[in-house]
Amino acid sequence: NAGVTQTPKFQVLKTGQSMTLQCAQDMNHEYMSWYRQDPGMGLRLIHYSVGAGITDQGEVPNGYNVSRSTTEDFPLRLLSAAPSQTSVYFCASSSATGGAFFGQGTRLTVV
Amino acid sequence: GENVEQHPSTLSVQEGDSAVIKCTYSDSASNYFPWYKQELGKRPQLIIDIRSNVGEKKDQRIAVTLNKTAKHFSLHITETQPEDSAVYFCAAGSGSARQLTFGSGTQLTVLP
Repeated sequence: NAGVTQTPKFQVLKTGQSMTLQCAQDMNHEYMSWYRQDPGMGLRLIHYSVGAGITDQGEVPNGYNVSRSTTEDFPLRLLSAAPSQTSVYFCASSSATGGAFFGQGTRLTVV
Repeated sequence: GENVEQHPSTLSVQEGDSAVIKCTYSDSASNYFPWYKQELGKRPQLIIDIRSNVGEKKDQRIAVTLNKTAKHFSLHITETQPEDSAVYFCAAGSGSARQLTFGSGTQLTVLP
């Protein structure tokens, strides 16, 4: 039972490049979310999903795209990377009544 | 939207003493309040949570209290140990953990 798995762990992008951060969970959780963590600001919600085929925006959605074709996977796409997107990204999954469990994070640097 | 404020931002205590971290929230619809511990370079880990139909919850040395009228909740750690040193985050959600608003974190240092 791996829980929530994110790939890659580290990534360096040039401004304007696009990439996809992968997230997979094996706990059969309905809910999945993406957060970014910046120094001194806690975690901020980017997008979330309440089930396959259903996604919604969080607090800071601009510049990011998500889709949820299966219960297990919830990839986050950066459309055109900007230096302001340098951050640590965490994926989380949860059931309707349980707590959120986080992946190990992806440290992204945009130069 | 929801706004969560967390105090203090840093807290140093002597080993064996208690530590208290406080959070306030703005949205009366919030009814789920988890606390996370994050060690340097690691993922946030859920340590305890409380729902708004409960005023207090304990798990060994950790307790959380909730005052729904005043819209604040607190984390209490008793008999602190050096391994309790980490950043602690409070959060608030409505109904479930799918959409959490986090506080800005408290760096707890337990001095031996």
